[in-house]
Amino acid sequence: DIVMTQSPLSSPVTLGQPASISCRSSQSLVHADGNTYLSWLQQRPGQPPRLLIYHISNRFPGVPDRFSGSGAGTDFTLKISRVEAEDVGVYYCMQATQYPQTFGPGTKVDIK
Amino acid sequence: EVQLLESGGGLVQPGGSLRLSCIASGLRFNYYAMNWVRQAPGKGLEWVSTISNTGVDTHYPDSVKGRFTISRDNSKNTVYLQMDSLRVEDTAIYYCARLLWEFRAVDIWGQGTMVSVSS
Repeated sequence: DIVMTQSPLSSPVTLGQPASISCRSSQSLVHADGNTYLSWLQQRPGQPPRLLIYHISNRFPGVPDRFSGSGAGTDFTLKISRVEAEDVGVYYCMQATQYPQTFGPGTKVDIK
Repeated sequence: EVQLLESGGGLVQPGGSLRLSCIASGLRFNYYAMNWVRQAPGKGLEWVSTISNTGVDTHYPDSVKGRFTISRDNSKNTVYLQMDSLRVEDTAIYYCARLLWEFRAVDIWGQGTMVSVSS
């Protein structure tokens, strides 16, 4: 199974400041078809998850452009350029290159 | 508006069974693969199952393989999760979610249904 790790696991940030979350996979997420099936999800308190980013760096429709994704192979990053109050929650990376689909442990973002 | 609505959760004893349902609205249901994902209280997300748009292909992690069965009825816009031989560690919120196959990304999630396994 592909193991996903994230760091930090907790990220207190100041409103208006940037935040960055790292996600690493235990093996390359490049699929035989050439695509990398790495996505990022946000889960606000008491809510189901919400898709933010797919294919490493593609913002899902309706996602603010302060969210961006980058990376390749086994190392990926989610960045929030200026954190807003509504960004509080837990962020998960997810790989679907190979079964079983696996998630990172989550990174909790809250306001200092 | 695309919506997924889960039902069927509840309290069950270890070794018991439950069947979850997820009815979809606002989408061409038979176009999409579907996932079940669960979240134990205070914990992270765990993939439980995937079914292809036709229902022919299904996938499970080892933690539920042989105990859980995913199925769908495209005429009813519904996906099911039959859960047998339930264990205490299956206690979780179970989410139904749409899988965009071309992106392998899960874009639409239901609100979830709670399953509690306890004696």
